[in-house]
Amino acid sequence: DTAVSQTPKYLVTQMGNDKSIKCEQNLGHDTMYWYKQDSKKFLKIMFSYNNKELIINETVPNRFSPKSPDKAHLNLHINSLELGDSAVYFCASSPTGGTGELFFGEGSRLTVL
Amino acid sequence: GIQVEQSPPDLILQEGANSTLRCNFSDSVNNLQWFHQNPWGQLINLFYIPSGTKQNGRLSATTVATERYSLLYISSSQTTDSGVYFCAVERKGSARQLTFGSGTQLTVLP
Repeated sequence: DTAVSQTPKYLVTQMGNDKSIKCEQNLGHDTMYWYKQDSKKFLKIMFSYNNKELIINETVPNRFSPKSPDKAHLNLHINSLELGDSAVYFCASSPTGGTGELFFGEGSRLTVL
Repeated sequence: GIQVEQSPPDLILQEGANSTLRCNFSDSVNNLQWFHQNPWGQLINLFYIPSGTKQNGRLSATTVATERYSLLYISSSQTTDSGVYFCAVERKGSARQLTFGSGTQLTVLP
């Protein structure tokens, strides 16, 4: 059973399109995240949600909009895709209390043509 | 924000060799984790280690929080150890937000 699962794993699309990546975790965690990994493998946080509420929103274009229908799901919607959006997007989750250890999904590789 | 520096950036080893990867950070931390990103891109948790020493098989890690560094030891390396090793820290007082170092690219040759 995958603890943090993302779909799709690969996404190839044209500039200007709108796309979504879905994330679900079955670990019972309260906090979920989206991280972006660029072509140089640098990982940077984009958003964090705690129990469906946004708690971290880094400097990310407003074309990116996270949506959390419940604490087990955090989806990422991207409007008007640009070439520079090509990257691997990782979903993650952690418990609010305790250690806060972070667990990642397998990543979604987005390629914008 | 907190700075996280990893060294060396690249490391090439022969199978069976030992290695030490280092992570320096610029502020007090609540959380420090080591991850391995395998050649297929998966990020795998190795250690949660804000302080002290832990061992898991051929891997061990030590964090000296007062001196703001952590070390990851890999003994008797295998080709399957290849990939990128990331250190990530959560600064004290910040919301649950891990800041990642730029990683160490490890290649183990057969």
